[in-house]
Amino acid sequence: EAQVTQNPRYLITVTGKKLTVTCSQNMNHEYMSWYRQDPGLGLRQIYYSMNVEVTDKGDVPEGYKVSRKEKRNFPLILESPSPNQTSLYFCASRDTGTRGYEQYFGPGTRLTVT
Amino acid sequence: GNSVTQMEGPVTLSEEAFLTINCTYTATGYPSLFWYVQYPGEGLQLLLKATKADDKGSNKGFEATYRKETTSFHLEKGSVQVSDSAVYFCALIISSASKIIFGSGTRLSIRP
Repeated sequence: EAQVTQNPRYLITVTGKKLTVTCSQNMNHEYMSWYRQDPGLGLRQIYYSMNVEVTDKGDVPEGYKVSRKEKRNFPLILESPSPNQTSLYFCASRDTGTRGYEQYFGPGTRLTVT
Repeated sequence: GNSVTQMEGPVTLSEEAFLTINCTYTATGYPSLFWYVQYPGEGLQLLLKATKADDKGSNKGFEATYRKETTSFHLEKGSVQVSDSAVYFCALIISSASKIIFGSGTRLSIRP
């Protein structure tokens, strides 16, 4: 089954404690992306990657890091989480070969930073 | 710049009512247009899409027509069900190498 998986689904942590949210896709997609979803603000892109070893900032990259060492994985790293990073996070992937291809989303990770 | 504007929610309707959620866009070039749906506790999933002017996307009884002259992609359904309660996002993409741009989402609640 074609899917994007994220782990963990729920995470409660404290300020300053480094954490990683994993993302994996099994569709051989080149493009992968991270979003955060906050009430009233919709979806905002954090980082994206066009292919292995190619990453770039989205609209709200401050406080986040990513890496793309393998095509299927795109982890999101919070080196020193702060309460304003409490949010719902989504990973997504899509093909870049043809116009109009849909973006597949993971189930989401709800992060609370106290 | 490129942007998507959709009607503010929440929208509350009775079962079997007619639904319209408005979406307009601003884009350089010729975008592809999408509607995504997010059911409670889940990620977004593609509902329908249209890749060129006058195309009509449809799925699960929902429809939307790509109107270049009015830069719109309004979502419609003739008879909504309680199971349609969700958040709906209008979105566009300019090219395969660019990012997808989302509207702010419209929460739809259907009462029995």
